[in-house]
Formats: sequence, structure tokens, C-alpha cells
Amino acid sequence: NAGVTQTPKFQVLKTGQSMTLQCAQDMNHNSMYWYRQDPGMGLRLIYYSASEGTTDKGEVPNGYNVSRLNKREFSLRLESAAPSQTSVYFCASSVGSLAKNIQYFGAGTRLSVL
Amino acid sequence: GQQVMQIPQYQHVQEGEDFTTYCNSSTTLSNIQWYKQRPGGHPVFLIQLVKSGEVKKQKRLTFQFGEAKKNSSLHITATQTTDVGTYFCAGPGDYKLSFGAGTTVTVRA
Repeated sequence: NAGVTQTPKFQVLKTGQSMTLQCAQDMNHNSMYWYRQDPGMGLRLIYYSASEGTTDKGEVPNGYNVSRLNKREFSLRLESAAPSQTSVYFCASSVGSLAKNIQYFGAGTRLSVL
Repeated sequence: GQQVMQIPQYQHVQEGEDFTTYCNSSTTLSNIQWYKQRPGGHPVFLIQLVKSGEVKKQKRLTFQFGEAKKNSSLHITATQTTDVGTYFCAGPGDYKLSFGAGTTVTVRA
């Protein structure tokens, strides 16, 4: 039972490079989320997808794009990485997008932008 | 917008002692969730509280939802090294679930 799988686990980028973070869930969940975690800041929502075919901005969307490829997969793209995007990125999923729904997190991607 | 505030940000505890972490909101919450993140790990759901004044226990962890549904607390008794990590509360916010900044717990053996 994999749950939520994120790749890669670690990544180092140079300023201006692009990359895509991959996320897949096998729980047949409708909703998926991308968060970033910085020291002292908790988890901040970047983008979410309430259901297949929809995406919406979260609290900190600037510099990111997302694609809900299908029900299972939700990717996060950094078009031109900046040092301010150095962070730990978590993907999560839930049955639905209501705030009462429990979220299940992937193991995270630790990204450094030099 | 809706925010949940957690205090303290850091908690250094002697093994065997008790401690409490608090979560406060400026508005009434329909529910509140608690998550735990071990060092180097990912957040894992612990519990959800829905009713005013609700109290739930998980072994040495006691979770409480305030009568006004604007605050919540997590009390750990007889702290063990396995309790090390960051505890987050989360409530409905402007962007789905709004997470507090967390309380990071370290334990002195």
C-alpha cells in the first residue's frame, strides 16, 4: 500500500533551471495538494486540485504551475527556479476537498536552489 | 484570512514530564485536526475534533476542543523519546486546510 508517492526525494538546482516534481496516489482520492514547508512557517499551500480536471491557487502560488494529469497524478513545475524556492515540498491527497477531510502526505522532496 | 496560531513554537521537555501545546483561532472552527511530523519525515494525521468541548485520548495524548470551538490543545503525559517531532494543528481556512506553524518537541533523556 504505497499511499502518496513523490519523486524525486532530493534535488539540487541552479538558479533559472526548471524541474517538475511528481506525485501519485493510489487511494482513489479526488483531491490533491502541493505544500511547501519552511522553518517556522508551517505548511503553506501552493496549489490544489479539488477533483480531476480542476486546479486552484493556494496561499503561495507565484513561481509554480501544476498539472492534474489524471485522478492519480498531480505534478508541480518550477519554470525558473529561484533560491527563495529552496524548501521541502509535500504532496498530499484527501477523499474530497472539504477541510474536514483527512490529508495523507507523501515523503516529501527536499529542494535546494543555488 | 483564517489562521490558526500555535504556541509554543518550541518545547524542550524532560523525559517523563508532561507538556501541553495550544492552538488558537480568531474565528469559530467547524473542526480541527492534529498532525505529527517526525524529524525528517512527513506529517501524519493523529486525530480530528468536531464537537464543542470534545476530548479524545490516544494512549498518553489527550486532545481537547474548546467550548467556543476557537481553540484546541494537545497534552502529552509522561513524555517519551518517541514523542519527539513537530505537532501541527489545522483548521478550515481560506485555502482549504490552514496549518499552524507547529510546536517542535525535543526530549531530554
